[in-house]
Amino acid sequence: SYVLTQPPSVSVAPGQTARITCGGNNIGSKSVHWYQQKPGQAPVLVVYDDSDRPSGIPERFSGSNSGNTATLTITRVEDGDEADYYCHVWESSSDHWVFGGGTKLTVL
Amino acid sequence: QVQLVESGGGVVQPGGSLRLSCAASGFTFTTYGLHWVRQAPGKGLEWVAFIRYDGNKRYYADSVKGRFTISRDSSKNTLYLQMNSLRGEDTALYYCAKQANGDYFDYWGQGTLVTVSS
Repeated sequence: SYVLTQPPSVSVAPGQTARITCGGNNIGSKSVHWYQQKPGQAPVLVVYDDSDRPSGIPERFSGSNSGNTATLTITRVEDGDEADYYCHVWESSSDHWVFGGGTKLTVL
Repeated sequence: QVQLVESGGGVVQPGGSLRLSCAASGFTFTTYGLHWVRQAPGKGLEWVAFIRYDGNKRYYADSVKGRFTISRDSSKNTLYLQMNSLRGEDTALYYCAKQANGDYFDYWGQGTLVTVSS
């Protein structure tokens, strides 16, 4: 089965840039989506199809995907960005949807 | 606006059964695929099952295949998850999620908690 690997945690100071990676075999050939989950809340889509943003998501959130790594980038990080972030793909060969293990973003 | 409201969670003994429901509103129910996703306490997200917009295709995670059944009732705009032969490792918050026109999930419910314990 397809595996997505994320770092368990990323820390960044307010105003700086956070980069959260998602590794997978030839992930660049897939569409990668990202969700933000704050404590006690349901996940919220923040980036879809590698780099598109749903309406209402700040431009500070962006994504890229190439080779074996997809990356969620959050610029000018704010306290309110502190959350768990999950990458997500559809694995067409098995018709399964797969989530990464999640990354806890801590704003110092 | 799109709303997904899960219900049916509770405490069940190992080997028991439970049926979850997800009432949907705010979109054309018969146009979109729907999913169940679960999250064990303190753990990450795990995809559980998918049902196509017309109910004619269903896919399951290996961990639940043969024990769980996903279904939908377009007359009630409701998604279901029938869970049989429950195990301790099935303990989780179960979310229903709407698939967008791509393969991502654009709306999620707030979840219903299932606890499998004797």
